[in-house]
Amino acid sequence: GENVEQHPSTLSVQEGDSAVIKCTYSDSASNYFPWYKQELGKRPQLIIDIRSNVGEKKDQRIAVTLNKTAKHFSLHITETQPEDSAVYFCAASKAVNSGYSTLTFGKGTMLLVSP
Amino acid sequence: DTGVSQDPRHKITKRGQNVTFRCDPISEHNRLYWYRQTLGQGPEFLTYFQNEAQLEKSRLLSDRFSAERPKGSFSTLEIQRTEQGDSAMYLCASSLARRGGGETQYFGPGTRLLVL
Repeated sequence: GENVEQHPSTLSVQEGDSAVIKCTYSDSASNYFPWYKQELGKRPQLIIDIRSNVGEKKDQRIAVTLNKTAKHFSLHITETQPEDSAVYFCAASKAVNSGYSTLTFGKGTMLLVSP
Repeated sequence: DTGVSQDPRHKITKRGQNVTFRCDPISEHNRLYWYRQTLGQGPEFLTYFQNEAQLEKSRLLSDRFSAERPKGSFSTLEIQRTEQGDSAMYLCASSLARRGGGETQYFGPGTRLLVL
């Protein structure tokens, strides 16, 4: 099955700095890569996603890049703010059978942004 | 609130007891997923429904676990003869089918289970 590795497990940055979280996946058939943000005690919330037919996607301060050949994708957060502090999860999935996608998650990165 | 809801939010039970959790997906979503999340880990897939049909079960889902979605709307997850290792956050997610897969899954707030 799919295996998703995520690094680093913790990341501390100063407010205004950039943060990068990296993930690798094992199944070359995976074609959908979402990123979720989970604040303490709250539900995971999708912040950005990318499909395998594009290499990069941006949404304001957040961007995701995908390298299909190397089977890795990364989350980039610029101009970090204290409210960005949370656990971030990457995930990978592929369409199977009826087209549904099972998400396989990484173990998460705890991002701490200090004022 | 039109998002995914789960009930109860917290459950404390004694080992050996049965527990049942409920998930109400976003109303127009035809796909529903159950995940388990333990401390310091990402959510792990347990099972998936398309409408009322349970189409996939993870090897994590032992015989003590059963899930239903009788009318293709809400779903229940039952754990029989609970064990301490069942202590975790149980998350439900729903999505609207998209050709080729890769549709956004929206998560509920989860049910935190503690087995004493």
